[in-house]
Amino acid sequence: NAGVMQNPRHLVRRRGQEARLRCSPMKGHSHVYWYRQLPEEGLKFMVYLQKENIIDESGMPKERFSAEFPKEGPSILRIQQVVRGDSAAYFCASSSGQGANYGYTFGSGTRLTVV
Amino acid sequence: AQTVTQSQPEMSVQEAETVTLSCTYDTSESDYYLFWYKQPPSRQMILVIRQEAYKQQNATENRFSVNFQKAAKSFSLKISDSQLGDAAMYFCAYYIIQGAQKLVFGQGTRLTINP
Repeated sequence: NAGVMQNPRHLVRRRGQEARLRCSPMKGHSHVYWYRQLPEEGLKFMVYLQKENIIDESGMPKERFSAEFPKEGPSILRIQQVVRGDSAAYFCASSSGQGANYGYTFGSGTRLTVV
Repeated sequence: AQTVTQSQPEMSVQEAETVTLSCTYDTSESDYYLFWYKQPPSRQMILVIRQEAYKQQNATENRFSVNFQKAAKSFSLKISDSQLGDAAMYFCAYYIIQGAQKLVFGQGTRLTINP
């Protein structure tokens, strides 16, 4: 079991470009969560998805950010027209069910740098 | 607002000694989970220990134990016999069982182990 796989590990984008971050959950996990970690801060919730559905996107900025978790393939966090303030580490976690009792497994994150 | 506060940005301890990291939280809910996560330089988020709020007994995992004071909303982590591999950022977090399916993290404490 390869765990939660995130790629790329590092991503550099120029201002105005698009960033696509990928997350493959653990085998058998159908719940995916995205968190953002700004430098020297804790992780902050962005969005919670189940297969083909967005369950809670209350932590995601209304503009430029979107997330999907298609029936087949990884979950994608997409940031359009990136700005310097988007520079952060983006973490994905997955679980087999809804609720902390199922346990979260985190990936190693993608560090996005906007230049 | 639901918040988690870690009042110690940095802590250091001598190898083999004991160190306690503090955490307080604010919630009006009665049913929740509390967690301590470790984040080494590799950036991987590793679950250290978990506590269910309805359990009075403090959780322990080998050299790691917690002091959970529900009335005071306090959840400190004690690391006994500190090892060099314990050096990392430590994050306290809670999860509300009923409601939004997300972890709320504190700002973190950077732990240094002195040989």
